[in-house]
Amino acid sequence: KQEVTQIPAALSVPEGENLVLNCSFTDSAIYNLQWFRQDPGKGLTSLLLIQSSQREQTSGRLNASLDKSSGRSTLYIAASQPGDSATYLCAVVGNKLTFGTGTQLKVEL
Amino acid sequence: NAGVTQTPKFRILKIGQSMTLQCTQDMNHNYMYWYRQDPGMGLKLIYYSVGAGITDKGEVPNGYNVSRSTTEDFPLRLELAAPSQTSVYFCASSSPGTVNTEAFFGQGTRLTVV
Repeated sequence: KQEVTQIPAALSVPEGENLVLNCSFTDSAIYNLQWFRQDPGKGLTSLLLIQSSQREQTSGRLNASLDKSSGRSTLYIAASQPGDSATYLCAVVGNKLTFGTGTQLKVEL
Repeated sequence: NAGVTQTPKFRILKIGQSMTLQCTQDMNHNYMYWYRQDPGMGLKLIYYSVGAGITDKGEVPNGYNVSRSTTEDFPLRLELAAPSQTSVYFCASSSPGTVNTEAFFGQGTRLTVV
């Protein structure tokens, strides 16, 4: 059974700081890994998709990496802004789409 | 391109009532999923389908039923609503292993059982 863990569960940083969110998974037989953002009371917004053959993807201030052999992915956010405050979820696509429990990020002025 | 469409967006049910949450996707994805998200919690998989005519249980299937008669539609049925089913329900679709592997989500259905 695939298990996905995200560390830390919550994070508070001052504006402008660079930060790293971590996602680990137990079964390396995956098709891809996807990072989502969820604002309170809202749906999921896809941020980045990394296919199993790729090692990283970049979109603006976001960079996601994938190390399938070690079962880890990281989401790097550069120069954080208050608008980045949200819950960040990683999802592993194998036979099912399995989510981590998320990291709740707060970026303070 | 509509993506994944869920209806209704909001619903209040009385205990014991039944309802169907609708989910439709227009991307010809073979995989579809139903999740529930309780307040302050992560997403839990209820049921999923890898293609028309094939469904399988997720982590929390009790109290729910699904069917997948077409590639596009994946309705979720609550037969006897209970307060424990108060939650936000999300439908998703994807085609893992193909060129377009991104998972897409509907906007959610907020269900309250009273």
